[in-house]
Amino acid sequence: GAGVSQTPSNKVTEKGKYVELRCDPISGHTALYWYRQSLGQGPEFLIYFQGTGAADDSGLPNDRFFAVRPEGSVSTLKIQRTERGDSAVYLCASSVTGRTSGSTDTQYFGPGTRLTVL
Amino acid sequence: AQRVTQPEKLLSVFKGAPVELKCNYSYSGSPELFWYVQYSRQRLQLLLRHISRESIKGFTADLNKGETSFHLKKPFAQEEDSAMYYCALRNRDDKIIFGKGTRLHILP
Repeated sequence: GAGVSQTPSNKVTEKGKYVELRCDPISGHTALYWYRQSLGQGPEFLIYFQGTGAADDSGLPNDRFFAVRPEGSVSTLKIQRTERGDSAVYLCASSVTGRTSGSTDTQYFGPGTRLTVL
Repeated sequence: AQRVTQPEKLLSVFKGAPVELKCNYSYSGSPELFWYVQYSRQRLQLLLRHISRESIKGFTADLNKGETSFHLKKPFAQEEDSAMYYCALRNRDDKIIFGKGTRLHILP
């Protein structure tokens, strides 16, 4: 079946601009995660959705970053006033149930969006 | 501090030789540990997790709580094992913390 998809695959923008990154999770997965992977680093957690609500946004670096998932499926990560330090690969993952008690849910990752801020 | 350390950025191994990718973690409690793999031009995917005690593609990893390690091993490397490998832990808040990764390069 179809996996997690992310669009665009590449995004080049100028410092100060606004960008939106989209994630389409696997159909039926209630949990959705965003990660950021900078060059030479592993993925770093940004935000976790359970259904429509952001259950944990503790990884968002500052208030320029915001994410939504209005219908509990597609999610959009929004970055305002982009800075050069925002350049990274942004990964999305989804899982069937997410952080339920005793869950050992597997997270399935998308291909990522490579964001370059000039 | 909760941390995953992969000391090697790059590991080159001859085909047929044993492979060991090192991973150490820092966590007060009982974490759940994973290895993820990313092959060239493919997405990140789960390779194995310690609670399953499974062998995937010939790889195994044993959790050593005394040494706080979760090294990934394979007795005989194959060319298709060349990839980026990430060790990760899931903490009690269900966050997954990744190491920086080790690039495994299998030499012919």
